[in-house]
Amino acid sequence: GAVVSQHPSRVICKSGTSVKIECRSLDFQATTMFWYRQFPKQSLMLMATSNEGSKATYEQGVEKDKFLINHASLTLSTLTVTSAHPEDSSFYICSARAFERGASDTQYFGPGTRLTVL
Amino acid sequence: RKEVEQDPGPFNVPEGATVAFNCTYSNSASQSFFWYRQDCRKEPKLLMSVYSSGNEDGRFTAQLNRASQYISLLIRDSKLSDSATYLCAVNAGNNRKLIWGLGTSLAVNP
Repeated sequence: GAVVSQHPSRVICKSGTSVKIECRSLDFQATTMFWYRQFPKQSLMLMATSNEGSKATYEQGVEKDKFLINHASLTLSTLTVTSAHPEDSSFYICSARAFERGASDTQYFGPGTRLTVL
Repeated sequence: RKEVEQDPGPFNVPEGATVAFNCTYSNSASQSFFWYRQDCRKEPKLLMSVYSSGNEDGRFTAQLNRASQYISLLIRDSKLSDSATYLCAVNAGNNRKLIWGLGTSLAVNP
């Protein structure tokens, strides 16, 4: 249980294109999802908290117009990296919080999306 | 002081050894504590939640020390497959986010 999927797993794109990443909770409802970015040999960096039916809350320093988040249903959140540049190349990981599974702050992660911008 | 701190390691131990990691946190209002495991180029996976009374799952034991504001993870009888980075996570008080440590790298050697 508590399975989170993420698609695509890998993206290679040209500079200036937009990339959309989907995060789905497969066997539970997730009113809150989180988007992280992780650079090689560094820790997770929270980008934003995505709440179903409302605007995402972005962390300081994260451009909301560049990283568009939509959480239209209880099982799906999307992150769109607009006009991607090489410095956006990173490992993007989503997580979902499952209230019905014990500790309410437990986060279950998707497998991540490795973005490479040429 | 960082909100959540871990010794980055690496810890190099032989198979069968017992190894322990600590993770300190600064927010005394924190209520939820977790250990996650992350393999190279993979997503973090929940290893165990940490409860006030301590908890054990097979070879893994987690404990919470509220007075000194740290959590610990003990791994007994280390296996090669335990090699990974171990991340601790602490909730940010009233905010429902988790604050993450930088991770402790463990290498179990044959």
